[in-house]
Amino acid sequence: EAGVAQSPRYKIIEKRQSVAFWCNPISGHATLYWYQQILGQGPKLLIQFQNNGVVDDSQLPKDRFSAERLKGVDSTLKIQPAKLEDSAVYLCASSWALSTDTQYFGPGTRLTVL
Amino acid sequence: DQQVKQNSPSLSVQEGRISILNCDYTNSMFDYFLWYKKYPAEGPTFLISISSIKDKNEDGRFTVFLNKSAKHLSLHIVPSQPGDSAVYFCAASAMPNAGKSTFGDGTTLTVKP
Repeated sequence: EAGVAQSPRYKIIEKRQSVAFWCNPISGHATLYWYQQILGQGPKLLIQFQNNGVVDDSQLPKDRFSAERLKGVDSTLKIQPAKLEDSAVYLCASSWALSTDTQYFGPGTRLTVL
Repeated sequence: DQQVKQNSPSLSVQEGRISILNCDYTNSMFDYFLWYKKYPAEGPTFLISISSIKDKNEDGRFTVFLNKSAKHLSLHIVPSQPGDSAVYFCAASAMPNAGKSTFGDGTTLTVKP
């Protein structure tokens, strides 16, 4: 069974530029999550999808971050414009359903904003 | 307000000995508690979980203990092996959205040969 795929693995941009991350979850997983992990901290949930609908985006900075999962499969997270404090690893995870506690994580995208 | 806390940023143990990683939580609504393990440049991987109706769950060398009255859980690894060296995250969630986990900041475990 293929795991959660993410790309790119690394990205370096200047502040005020835009960036997008892509995630393809495990086949059949209805729930998809995007996390931000700042160095030295645990993952912080940004947004959670159930199929193509948003379940929770309470911690997503909506003035600069956006995410979509149009066909209920893969997903894109965008930052526009980026700030220095956005430097972090962005993790995508998926699970079978909302009621499933176990998540499967991708390798993450390490973003550096200069 | 951090709802899940791992107060020890690091732990070092000798191979073959027991490793005990601790986690405290403040939200009494949490129903599920999980431990994830993370190697450098990889995403976290699920290790073991426990629901609030239990006080112990075992899986091979890994055992998680839950003390609901103290809002405390711990992960015991016996015996510890060098390959266990990683960052361990404690996470907690509540039904009906059990997937919405709140994570601690992690404990870096180093197992010395």
